[in-house]
Amino acid sequence: DTAVSQTPKYLVTQMGNDKSIKCEQNLGHDTMYWYKQDSKKFLKIMFSYNNKELIINETVPNRFSPKSPDKAHLNLHINSLELGDSAVYFCASSPYRTSLYEQYFGPGTRLTVT
Amino acid sequence: AQTVTQSQPEMSVQEAETVTLSCTYDTSESDYYLFWYKQPPSRQMILVIRQEAYKQQNATENRFSVNFQKAAKSFSLKISDSQLGDAAMYFCAYRTDSGNTPLVFGKGTRLSVIA
Repeated sequence: DTAVSQTPKYLVTQMGNDKSIKCEQNLGHDTMYWYKQDSKKFLKIMFSYNNKELIINETVPNRFSPKSPDKAHLNLHINSLELGDSAVYFCASSPYRTSLYEQYFGPGTRLTVT
Repeated sequence: AQTVTQSQPEMSVQEAETVTLSCTYDTSESDYYLFWYKQPPSRQMILVIRQEAYKQQNATENRFSVNFQKAAKSFSLKISDSQLGDAAMYFCAYRTDSGNTPLVFGKGTRLSVIA
């Protein structure tokens, strides 16, 4: 049973296109996140949702729009893709009530913009 | 803002030997959690070990242990009896103790294991 799943795992597209990445977790967690891992492997938070509500938006361009239809899903839509958007995008989830619990990561989506 | 620093971009260790990866962090909080994550070539993020800041005892998980020095804001990872499967990127991460905050990561250390 996959705890946090992402689709697709690989995405190759051209500049200017619009694309979406989907994330689902079956752990019953309240909080979900999107992280971006750049070409130098640096991981940085983009968004955080708690029970479908946006709680963190880390100065990400407004071309990126997260959407959470329910607390088990957090999708990432990217408009007008740019070369600099090429990266690995990770979805993660965790329980709300304590920071002790680890964040469970999805397998990542490698986005390549040409 | 909290920051996490990993000063060793790359490390190598002989199989069966011991290696220590360094991590320092900066925070004004008194309650927080620290983690080491492993990212093998498959790119899956795997939790290696966690430490609660209020605990003085260093965490251990089989061959993995930490040296947590709260006053020095240091959190190093020791891998004993290194195995080929330990080769990966290792990330140190920090999280405040306030509900559902995200992880703040260091830039990672790439560990190679030599047979």
